[in-house]
Amino acid sequence: AQSVTQPDIHITVSEGASLELRCNYSYGATPYLFWYVQSPGQGLQLLLKYFSGDTLVQGIKGFEAEFKRSQSSFNLRKPSVHWSDAAEYFCAVGGNTGGFKTIFGAGTRLFVKA
Amino acid sequence: DAGVIQSPRHEVTEMGQEVTLRCKPISGHNSLFWYRQTMMRGLELLIYFNNNVPIDDSGMPEDRFSAKMPNASFSTLKIQPSEPRDSAVYFCASSLGQGGGPGPYEQYFGPGTRLTVT
Repeated sequence: AQSVTQPDIHITVSEGASLELRCNYSYGATPYLFWYVQSPGQGLQLLLKYFSGDTLVQGIKGFEAEFKRSQSSFNLRKPSVHWSDAAEYFCAVGGNTGGFKTIFGAGTRLFVKA
Repeated sequence: DAGVIQSPRHEVTEMGQEVTLRCKPISGHNSLFWYRQTMMRGLELLIYFNNNVPIDDSGMPEDRFSAKMPNASFSTLKIQPSEPRDSAVYFCASSLGQGGGPGPYEQYFGPGTRLTVT
């Protein structure tokens, strides 16, 4: 079955500290992997995506993610968090299996303390 | 590009009334998705269309919900009759399913419609 697990419901980090949000997936074919961010009262915005090639992908706002096939993981990282990064982050997987359907994780809410 | 447009942004209605949510996808996109987001259940896919044809409506909660896509630039999600448990934020998203553009399966979300049923 296709699924996405984000083990952390919420995370609190200090401004300027590094960040890693975890994501594990289960997918029966070659996965297309995404991270989206949702600020309060807004829709989801794509941060980055992985389809193939270099397993370390760069996204907007200084975020990066690393695809590790052996661990079925696609963790999101940022070296130095800014207060404006406080939001909810969703990992998602899609691809040819199941047509155009994309499976979203439950989300991780990031709190940033001064 | 104006992005995905949803209307209304907020809707407050009484139980039993009909509610219609509207969505205009990004021009040129060939897939459209309706999602519902609540604190309890997170983000749920209700239905999605490809080239205006419904592909999977298994997420539609019950017969009170219906969705249409009469053309490539417009879709509606209708709830009739509405119930308090339908209160949620409803998102529309579109994507270019195959080929060029921003890449397959990447979805662009609208700002959402916050529905409150009293």
